[in-house]
Amino acid sequence: TQTVSQSDAHVTVFEGDSVELRCNYSYGGSIYLSWYIQHHGHGLQFLLKYYSGNPVVQGVNGFEAEFSKSDSSFHLRKASVHWSDSAVYFCAVSADTNAYKVIFGKGTHLHVLP
Amino acid sequence: NAGVIQTPRHKVTGKGQEATLWCEPISGHSAVFWYRQTIVQGLEFLTYFRNQAPIDDSGMPKERFSAQMPNQSHSTLKIQSTQPQDSAVYLCASSANTLYFGAGTRLSVL
Repeated sequence: TQTVSQSDAHVTVFEGDSVELRCNYSYGGSIYLSWYIQHHGHGLQFLLKYYSGNPVVQGVNGFEAEFSKSDSSFHLRKASVHWSDSAVYFCAVSADTNAYKVIFGKGTHLHVLP
Repeated sequence: NAGVIQTPRHKVTGKGQEATLWCEPISGHSAVFWYRQTIVQGLEFLTYFRNQAPIDDSGMPKERFSAQMPNQSHSTLKIQSTQPQDSAVYLCASSANTLYFGAGTRLSVL
């Protein structure tokens, strides 16, 4: 069974700062990893996904994430945040043998201050 | 493309009443999912349809909850005899490859 952990419930930064949101997973086999964003009152929106190949994947709005098998991590980064990036970010995993069953982390609430 | 449409956006029921939540997936998406979102539990998988057929309902509470997909244009989640602990945001998603979520239905059981 795959699990996903987001260690920070809240992260606060200033506009223009860089940010890294942490995600760690556990699963013994091949895995899909993805990130979603949820603005208040809305559903989740897909940001990016990794399965194989280049461990650094680019997403929308300047977000990127890096897969590390040794650390069992898939951290999300952005070089310069905007106030509109304030939202909850969810890391998600699914096993390639059961790819439809996506398991979400508890989410990290990113607060971007002006 | 209007995305995944969920209705109603908010529903308030009294304890013991029935609640039916509606989802219209993106046209052409063969997979439809239901999730429940609460502060305490986060996002919980409930059930999954592919080409209208129920594939996995392992996340559904065995009593009182049921989901159907009578045609490719909509799915329903029905909760009978609602209880306060059913209060949550219920999210529907459809997928061709990645998940596309609706805005959710916030169910409040008084």
